[in-house]
Order: sequence, then structure tokens, then C-alpha cells
Amino acid sequence: GIQVEQSPPDLILQEGANSTLRCNFSDSVNNLQWFHQNPWGQLINLFYIPSGTKQNGRLSATTVATERYSLLYISSSQTTDSGVYFCAVDFGNEKLTFGTGTRLTIIP
Amino acid sequence: NAGVTQTPKFQVLKTGQSMTLQCAQDMNHEYMSWYRQDPGMGLRLIHYSVGAGITDQGEVPNGYNVSRSTTEDFPLRLLSAAPSQTSVYFCASSYRLPGGVGYTFGSGTRLTVV
Repeated sequence: GIQVEQSPPDLILQEGANSTLRCNFSDSVNNLQWFHQNPWGQLINLFYIPSGTKQNGRLSATTVATERYSLLYISSSQTTDSGVYFCAVDFGNEKLTFGTGTRLTIIP
Repeated sequence: NAGVTQTPKFQVLKTGQSMTLQCAQDMNHEYMSWYRQDPGMGLRLIHYSVGAGITDQGEVPNGYNVSRSTTEDFPLRLLSAAPSQTSVYFCASSYRLPGGVGYTFGSGTRLTVV
């Protein structure tokens, strides 16, 4: 079946450090999204990236569709980056499937 | 511009009761969807709609009903609440353009069924 796997499940970093979060998916995708859920539960859409590379400030994402993985990079982490990062994919059926997330904790 | 508004924010139901979770968006998005999030898990799709009058089932549709009579509103109905439906429910709307797809989520409804 459809699978979206994220790693690592948990990540604890010092403020200022860089991090790389990975998302593996089991089939070709029409749509790949990265989301951030803050500690208060609000979900924010970070990137639409079914292929290629995008950057937005300290965050960037790369998807290698032929190898079925996507990476989210966070540079110079701040405490406000804490929360859970989700990858979600649509395999062409309009249904978004979420991974189980990476919980990031940034320590001041 | 309010985005996606969900009501109520919190609700406690007794087993067997019914209720409607409201979701409204003011961005004129065609696509709307409902998800549930259980502790330590990602979101799972319950139902979605690609436009007014069109709905379809997601991954976990049992026990829930939806309708989409207008572009703005997409209510989720729990027919007969069960403890297994205790969860946080999120509504989302999205735009789909040739150059990209973007999602806006509501702030969630925390539902407890006792």
C-alpha cells in the first residue's frame, strides 16, 4: 500500500544548529508537501515540492522523485522552529497521505 | 481575511450522540478536506471535496458524513459518536494551480467522546 516514512522520529538540537529531515515515499507522486505543526497544534504549509529544490529563508527542501525521497533542511535553528514536521504526498488520487512526522526540539 | 475557521474548538460528547463540526473558508478554494489526528500520529484523511456538490471518501470515512452545498462551507457530521472518535479534527482548504498546490488548515477541534 501507500507508504510515507519519515526519519528521524525525534531530533533534539541546540539553537543555531542545522538539521536535515527525510521523507521516503513508496510510489510516484503528483504532489508532495512539507508542513510544520507548532507546539500549539497549528499546521503551516511550508513547501509544495513534487520535484526539484526550493528555498524560503532558512528552510529549503529537495525532492528526488526518481529515487522517491524528499529532504527538508533547516539552517541556524531557532526555538520557534520546534514542533513536528510532516511530509505528505498525493499519489494522483487527490488524497493526501501524511507521514508520522519528525518531532524537532530546539534547545536555547 | 480569516482563512479557515473551525468551530467549536473543544467538545465533549457522550457515546451515541451526534454533532456537526463546522468549517468555513473565505479564500474561494475549490478543494476542502477533513483530517483526524490521533496522539503520536500523522493526519488521516476522512472525507474531501473538490468543489460544491462533490464529495468523496478518504482513508477513514466510517462514522462520518459530509456535504458541500457551497464553496465556503464543509461541515463534518458524526452520526453516533464512539470513544474511538476521540481525536483532534482539522479542516483544510487548498488551491490547485499548474504551478503549485497550497493548503491552509483551521486551528482544529479537540473532541472527546465519553
